[in-house]
Formats: sequence, structure tokens, C-alpha cells
Amino acid sequence: DGGITQSPKYLFRKEGQNVTLSCEQNLNHDAMYWYRQDPGQGLRLIYYSHIVNDFQKGDIAEGYSVSREKKESFPLTVTSAQKNPTAFYLCASSTGQGGSEQFFGPGTRLTVL
Amino acid sequence: GQQLNQSPQSMFIQEGEDVSMNCTSSSIFNTWLWYKQDPGEGPVLLIALYKAGELTSNGRLTAQFGITRKDSFLNISASIPSDVGIYFCAGNLNSGGYQKVTFGTGTKLQVIP
Repeated sequence: DGGITQSPKYLFRKEGQNVTLSCEQNLNHDAMYWYRQDPGQGLRLIYYSHIVNDFQKGDIAEGYSVSREKKESFPLTVTSAQKNPTAFYLCASSTGQGGSEQFFGPGTRLTVL
Repeated sequence: GQQLNQSPQSMFIQEGEDVSMNCTSSSIFNTWLWYKQDPGEGPVLLIALYKAGELTSNGRLTAQFGITRKDSFLNISASIPSDVGIYFCAGNLNSGGYQKVTFGTGTKLQVIP
């Protein structure tokens, strides 16, 4: 089955710790994206990558970092510099070409205690 | 970052009623997408629209790409309890050969059995 997986589904961390969220896709998509969603809110773009070894900041990149060493994987690290990290994090992928649809993973809910 | 104006923000309807929601933007888009998000899950793509004026159906769902390319609407006919969720529109603009997607703020739909 082709799709996007995110793990874990729920994640708890102490304040001040870095945490890495996993995102893997087997759709052979070139582009991958990370979004943050707060309760009752829409999606805000954190980082995106159109090709391996290249990525760009989105609208709210501060306090986050990413890597794109493989086409299938786009992990997101929430650093201790992120002031309000508790949120629902969504990963998406697309072919990356103009007009193509984004497909989403099931999300990871991060709670920082 | 820019977000699309989506309305209504929320709605309660009786099972069996028809539903209509829309998205407007000050910018034009090449593609309009409509997603549904269940609680605690990632958004699922419902309908993709590629041409101004295009009208597309997917079962009880019908969506249209506005002639001006600045708006889109989604209709759900004969609503059922499983239609409950948050519906997001998204506009996709081809920028420099890559896509830039902007999401709406969401319409929360609740269906009363």
C-alpha cells in the first residue's frame, strides 16, 4: 500500500528537550512538507522540500529544523528554541509539479510538559 | 503567511440537509483542492479542480472552481452523520515551476441525527 506514515501518533516530552518526528512516504513523491495545526486552527507551513538535500523555510520555521537525506524521508526536529511546541504536526507529500495535490499523513500530536 | 477566507467557520445541520461552504481569496490560483479532516487525523483529499469554471462531483460532493480563479465552493447533498469533520479548501499556485499551497481556515461541520 502506498502512503505516508508518521510516527509516533502521540509524543510527550519535557520542556527544554529536542524531539524528532518521523515522516516516511513510499509514493515516489519529490516534494514533502511539514505543517503545524493548533486547536481550531488551519494549517501553517513549517518547512518544505522539493528535492533531496534541499529544503526551504515555510511561514513558521523558527524553532524547527529538518533534513532531506533520502527521497522517502523528511524528519522534523522540534528544538528547545520553539516557544510553544505543543501542537498537532502533519506531514504531506506531492509530486511537486505545479498543480499537483498534497497527500497527508495521519499526524503526530506532540505534548510538551 | 496568507490564508484563504473560508466560510462559514462552523455549521450545525440536520441529517439529510444539503450543505454549502466556500473559499475566497484576493489571489488567483491554478488549482483548488478540498480536504476533509476527522478529529485527530490527517486531512483527506476529496476533490481537486484544475480549470476555471470546472464543476466536479465525487458522490454526494460537488465542487466548483470559480471563473475568476479567486474562489471555490463545496456542496454536500443529503448529509449523513459521517460527514462530520472539518473541511479545508486549498489554493495551489505554480510558482517558479513548483507549487505553493495556501490553506483555508476550515469549516467545522456538525450533523444532527
